[in-house]
Amino acid sequence: LAKTTQPISMDSYEGQEVNITCSHNNIATNDYITWYQQFPSQGPRFIIQGYKTKVTNEVASLFIPADRKSSTLSLPRVSLSDTAVYYCLVGFYNQGGKLIFGQGTELSVKP
Amino acid sequence: DAGVIQSPRHEVTEMGQEVTLRCKPISGHNSLFWYRQTMMRGLELLIYFNNNVPIDDSGMPEDRFSAKMPNASFSTLKIQPSEPRDSAVYFCASSLKQGADGGTEAFFGQGTRLTVV
Repeated sequence: LAKTTQPISMDSYEGQEVNITCSHNNIATNDYITWYQQFPSQGPRFIIQGYKTKVTNEVASLFIPADRKSSTLSLPRVSLSDTAVYYCLVGFYNQGGKLIFGQGTELSVKP
Repeated sequence: DAGVIQSPRHEVTEMGQEVTLRCKPISGHNSLFWYRQTMMRGLELLIYFNNNVPIDDSGMPEDRFSAKMPNASFSTLKIQPSEPRDSAVYFCASSLKQGADGGTEAFFGQGTRLTVV
């Protein structure tokens, strides 16, 4: 499974757009890129998943360049409630479904 | 669906005692995962099942840990004997593995906070 590297922490202010970048240099052809969000005292929650180019849902956007060696989670106009840890995962989950979490990025949104 | 249900939510036990954590996955899901989370080690995958069969238990720390999935709606994680270093939050998650599509979304339970004194 491809190893991921992301910043340990980030700070932002309410109303700003936040971009969290994840590096996955040895991503395999079949690998998908998935982001999860975890609030204190809760289990991780799926945010978004993509394979290439751009994916957007009601919560976030995921940008994946052509070489797929990195990806960027974009959170538009964050609020205090977006303060959480964000995890980037890479893998071809159909092959056994193994989900490996890295260290994650602790996002702190300030008023 | 009520989501992934774990019990108990909190467990305090004495060192040496047996601890059993329980998980009910989302109905219809065919993959189940057990994770352990601590400040020092983050989220660690302990074991996962597909169609009730253990696929990879390489994350199970030692023989004191065992997991079973007797049917599609129930799984247990047992620690015997428990030790203080087992103190952590244990999460269960389930997902639906679909055909040739490599994507999947896992749903996590609220976790069991285990304290071994």
